[in-house]
Amino acid sequence: RKEVEQDPGPFNVPEGATVAFNCTYSNSASQSFFWYRQDCRKEPKLLMSVYSSGNEDGRFTAQLNRASQYISLLIRDSKLSDSATYLCVVNTGRRALTFGSGTRLQVQP
Amino acid sequence: DGGITQSPKYLFRKEGQNVTLSCEQNLNHDAMYWYRQDPGQGLRLIYYSQIVNDFQKGDIAEGYSVSREKKESFPLTVTSAQKNPTAFYLCASSITGAGLAKNIQYFGAGTRLSVL
Repeated sequence: RKEVEQDPGPFNVPEGATVAFNCTYSNSASQSFFWYRQDCRKEPKLLMSVYSSGNEDGRFTAQLNRASQYISLLIRDSKLSDSATYLCVVNTGRRALTFGSGTRLQVQP
Repeated sequence: DGGITQSPKYLFRKEGQNVTLSCEQNLNHDAMYWYRQDPGQGLRLIYYSQIVNDFQKGDIAEGYSVSREKKESFPLTVTSAQKNPTAFYLCASSITGAGLAKNIQYFGAGTRLSVL
């Protein structure tokens, strides 16, 4: 079983739609969680950290469910510019982060 | 501007050749990392360094070597022993110490390596 698993997609949604991604992790001792965004042929960039209480940044909401070992990302009112690959990232207790393979989002006009 | 600079952006390797990818940061971060990304895949950790003159193997270190002689620099050498080097190589850095911020990694723009 992979340490961090994501549905690769692609998720094809119209502009204005709400879309949600889930990510599961295998190590129950994981301490920190993040969503990174990666545009085609570019480097990953931090989108948001994920806190136990859940957190929101504009149209983006991240949730953590420790009991079920998953994190989620909700995007409301999707824009064309949201089209990208979203990477779920977990600190599994080692010194470096573990990255999921990413979920591709394509927002269509 | 503070950031991480990787060079070159594109690199071609001949059979049997060693090549070195450069990574420099001016963020005053103690920790630095090298990842490899293959098409449609996630990032896989090659090597990381928490402090100058010390580094650790990641999940796929075979065929690669690194050095950390200066805080700002963490070059990666892809040796001839790496039989499938074609990939997108990403360098990252982070702070160390307590707190959630220590786990946030910032990335350079990457180097695309291809075999001639």
